[in-house]
Amino acid sequence: GQNIDQPTEMTATEGAIVQINCTYQTSGFNGLFWYQQHAGEAPTFLSYNVLDGLEEKGRFSSFLSRSKGYSYLLLKELQMKDSASYLCAVLDSNYQLIWGAGTKLIIKP
Amino acid sequence: ETGVTQTPRHLVMGMTNKKSLKCEQHLGHNAMYWYKQSAKKPLELMFVYSLEERVENNSVPSRFSPECPNSSHLFLHLHTLQPEDSALYLCASSQDTGKPSYEQYFGPGTRLTVT
Repeated sequence: GQNIDQPTEMTATEGAIVQINCTYQTSGFNGLFWYQQHAGEAPTFLSYNVLDGLEEKGRFSSFLSRSKGYSYLLLKELQMKDSASYLCAVLDSNYQLIWGAGTKLIIKP
Repeated sequence: ETGVTQTPRHLVMGMTNKKSLKCEQHLGHNAMYWYKQSAKKPLELMFVYSLEERVENNSVPSRFSPECPNSSHLFLHLHTLQPEDSALYLCASSQDTGKPSYEQYFGPGTRLTVT
């Protein structure tokens, strides 16, 4: 079956760095997405990786290793507003998005 | 209005009621989606429409009935629901389906409680 694994919850300190991991086993691979979802709000797109390596976008970076079925989202200089759930999703060979359950990130002052 | 909007934002209904959820996208996209989001579970894709035609139905119970009258509007008709159907129902749209890197834009969701 298809599976996306990510930690249920993480806690980090304001100003610090946090890495949220995502491992996947899917039928084919056409890219990996990260979305951010604040409580009670819509998920919003953060990044898309289809090639191996690190892509940086401001304070957020996303890394992909297709051979390992692994990705991470790196958040630097954490701010209180970064408290949210972070959803990992993989586009499989049928172009269907397979979603992880999300990682709830709690930022403490 | 911009983006993807959903109404109502909150809905409480009894198991014998009939209600409808509405979604509207102002992005000129060709594809629209209904998702169910339950606590601590992955997003569950319910229905996909591309150019107003249903292209995917992930074995959703018949008590959920989608309708897509045009590429900008999507409805989810609800009838004889069960308490386990209580969840956040998210609508999303994208430029197209079947292509890599297609970003989905989500609405704020309807929080449904079935009593």
